[in-house]
Amino acid sequence: DQQVKQNSPSLSVQEGRISILNCDYTNSMFDYFLWYKKYPAEGPTFLISISSIKDKNEDGRFTVFLNKSAKHLSLHIVPSQPGDSAVYFCAATMLAGANNLFFGTGTRLTVIP
Amino acid sequence: GAGVSQTPSNKVTEKGKYVELRCDPISGHTALYWYRQSLGQGPEFLIYFQGTGAADDSGLPNDRFFAVRPEGSVSTLKIQRTERGDSAVYLCASSLMGSTSSYEQYFGPGTRLTVT
Repeated sequence: DQQVKQNSPSLSVQEGRISILNCDYTNSMFDYFLWYKKYPAEGPTFLISISSIKDKNEDGRFTVFLNKSAKHLSLHIVPSQPGDSAVYFCAATMLAGANNLFFGTGTRLTVIP
Repeated sequence: GAGVSQTPSNKVTEKGKYVELRCDPISGHTALYWYRQSLGQGPEFLIYFQGTGAADDSGLPNDRFFAVRPEGSVSTLKIQRTERGDSAVYLCASSLMGSTSSYEQYFGPGTRLTVT
C-alpha cells in the first residue's frame, strides 16, 4: 500500500519558468516531509524539508508547501534551471520512532533550455 | 567532509549465492538505514540501526536478509540464497540523531545488485 504518492511520473518545464511537483500522502501520522533529488547512478540528495507545524518552507529557489487538511504537499522551483533536471522524490516520516522514510515513486523533471 | 560510501557499486551474482553489501556512514552519524529501490519505484525501508543495535528491522522482506553494525559505524547487509527478485539498488543512509537537522538522511550512491 503506497502511503506517499506522486501521480505525475514526468514534468517538462521551460528554463526560467516555475516547476511545481506534487505529492499526496494517506497516513495522517506523518509529521515531517522531505524532498530528495536524484541524478542517475547517484543516491538521493536531500533538498528541503518541512515540519507538519508549518505550511511553508523556503530555501533559495526551492519552496515546499504543506496542506495538512488535504494531505498534500508541493515543491516549487523558481526559476527552473537545466541543472535541476533530475528525478524528485517526496518522502514522509513519523518523528516518534525510527524516522524511516516513506517515499513516493518520483517525478522526472526536465528543464528545457 | 566525506559522505556515505557503499561498496561494491555493482554486484552480479548467481541465483542461490550469498552476498554482502557494505555501507560506511558519515562520521559521527549514529543512525543508519538500509533501503531498497526497485526499477520505477521509490526507495523502500529495510532496517534501521541506532548505534550498534537494529532498532527496527520491520522492512526486511524475509529471513534471507540480515544486517549488522558491530561497532556502531560500518554496516553490512547480508543476503542469503539470493533470488532474481532481490535484484535492485540497495541504498544506505545515515543521519545525526539529537539535533534539529537530525531528520534529514544522507544517502550513499547505492549498490546495484543483479541476480542472474
